[in-house]
Amino acid sequence: ETGVTQSPTHLIKTRGQQVTLRCSSQSGHNTVSWYQQALGQGPQFIFQYYREEENGRGNFPPRFSGLQFPNYSSELNVNALELDDSALYLCASSLGQGASEQYFGPGTRLTVT
Amino acid sequence: GEDVEQSLFLSVREGDSSVINCTYTDSSSTYLYWYKQEPGAGLQLLTYIFSNMDMKQDQRLTVLLNKKDKHLSLRIADTQTGDSAIYFCADSYNQGGKLIFGQGTELSVKP
Repeated sequence: ETGVTQSPTHLIKTRGQQVTLRCSSQSGHNTVSWYQQALGQGPQFIFQYYREEENGRGNFPPRFSGLQFPNYSSELNVNALELDDSALYLCASSLGQGASEQYFGPGTRLTVT
Repeated sequence: GEDVEQSLFLSVREGDSSVINCTYTDSSSTYLYWYKQEPGAGLQLLTYIFSNMDMKQDQRLTVLLNKKDKHLSLRIADTQTGDSAIYFCADSYNQGGKLIFGQGTELSVKP
């Protein structure tokens, strides 16, 4: 059974640029959730995708957007990067809608300068 | 609104028991989770409890839930140095798949 994978591991971007982060869900899972974890904080929910549709969204502006593909992998896109977007971005996969058992990937560390 | 609170630090001796506490505000919680995060890594799901249960035991881990007081605890028996990590309590919010995390408790295990 393959676990959740994320790419890239680390990324450095400049303020105002755009970034795309990728996630492959655990085999058998059809739901992907994205979280932002600032240094020293708990993860904050960005959104969840279930069967290619956005199922729920946290308090993040529209410049945070996502996609889920037919193979259930997912992308997180962030436009017009700000310094405060520097964080660890975590992807979690699960089976079914809602907040069922979510299994996390290793994360992508984004630094915005 | 929804909120989850945890104490920030806990230090124990190897071989002792550790108890990490968490309080939450959402009265409609169905599941509550404990995750472990080692430095530079993602979150590892340790265990979870359904809201109609009081206790769940899983090897060295015991979860206690007091639904009246909205208090959750994680007890780790025979704590080892490999248990040193940050532990997060998470409340499930059924609409939209959101997990609400506490700030995390850093567990330090001294030999």
